[in-house]
Amino acid sequence: QSALTQPASVSGSPGQSITISCTGTSSDVGGYDYVSWYQQHPGKAPKLMIYDVSDRPSGVSNRFSGSKSGNTASLTISGLQPEDGADYYCSSYTSSNTLVFGGGTKLTVL
Amino acid sequence: EVQLVESGGGLVQPGGSLRLSCAASGFTVSSNHMSWVRQAPGKGLEWVSVIYRGESTYYADSVKGRFTISRDRSKNTVYLQMNSLRTEDTAVYYCARDKSSSFAFDYWGQGTLVTVSS
Repeated sequence: QSALTQPASVSGSPGQSITISCTGTSSDVGGYDYVSWYQQHPGKAPKLMIYDVSDRPSGVSNRFSGSKSGNTASLTISGLQPEDGADYYCSSYTSSNTLVFGGGTKLTVL
Repeated sequence: EVQLVESGGGLVQPGGSLRLSCAASGFTVSSNHMSWVRQAPGKGLEWVSVIYRGESTYYADSVKGRFTISRDRSKNTVYLQMNSLRTEDTAVYYCARDKSSSFAFDYWGQGTLVTVSS
C-alpha cells in the first residue's frame, strides 16, 4: 500500500488561511469517507483534528476544516496562529481493511 | 479519563523478538478497534496493525507474517508481538484507540522506542 501524497511543506502568515492536500486512489481516499487528519508537534503523539473527512472532535478549533473531492482530501486551517505550526498527516481506510497515512506536511507559520 | 500506556520497547539485535504492551484505562479495549502505529526517527507515521472489536486482525504488508497483535480483556491490554526484527523496524511505536470504527484515532499512548541494531 503506497503512502498518500501530501506536499512536504506549506507556509502562511498569522491570520491567513492555508490548505493541505492529500491525494490517494479510488481504493482509499476516493472509495471511503474515512479520511482523518492529525497534527503532531515535535516529540509529541499525534492529535486527531478531523475525522470522517470533515468532522471535528470536541475541543478542536473550528478554524480547522476538512473536505474531499474524488481521490483528494484537503485540510484547511483559517486564521493561522503561531501554535498551528506543526506536522500534519492525513490517513485513509483502504479496501484491504488497512490504513494508509500520507507522508506528512510541515506547516510553518511565518 | 482515557489513557494508553505503552511499554516493552528497547534495544534488540536483528532477527530478535520483542513484545510491546499497551495498558488501557478509562475504557475497555474490547469495545474499540485498537491499532499500533509507528514512526521511524525523523520520518512520518506508518500504520502497523489493527485488532477489531470482533477479534479480526490486519497488518501492513511490511510486518505481515512477523508481527502479531492480540488483546487480553482481563488485563485491558493490547499487545504487539514482534519477531524476526529488522533494522527498518526501528521506530517509536504508538498504540491508538479508534474513535468510531473508522480508523480515526482519538487517543494515543506516549510511545515506546524500539531500536533494532547489532
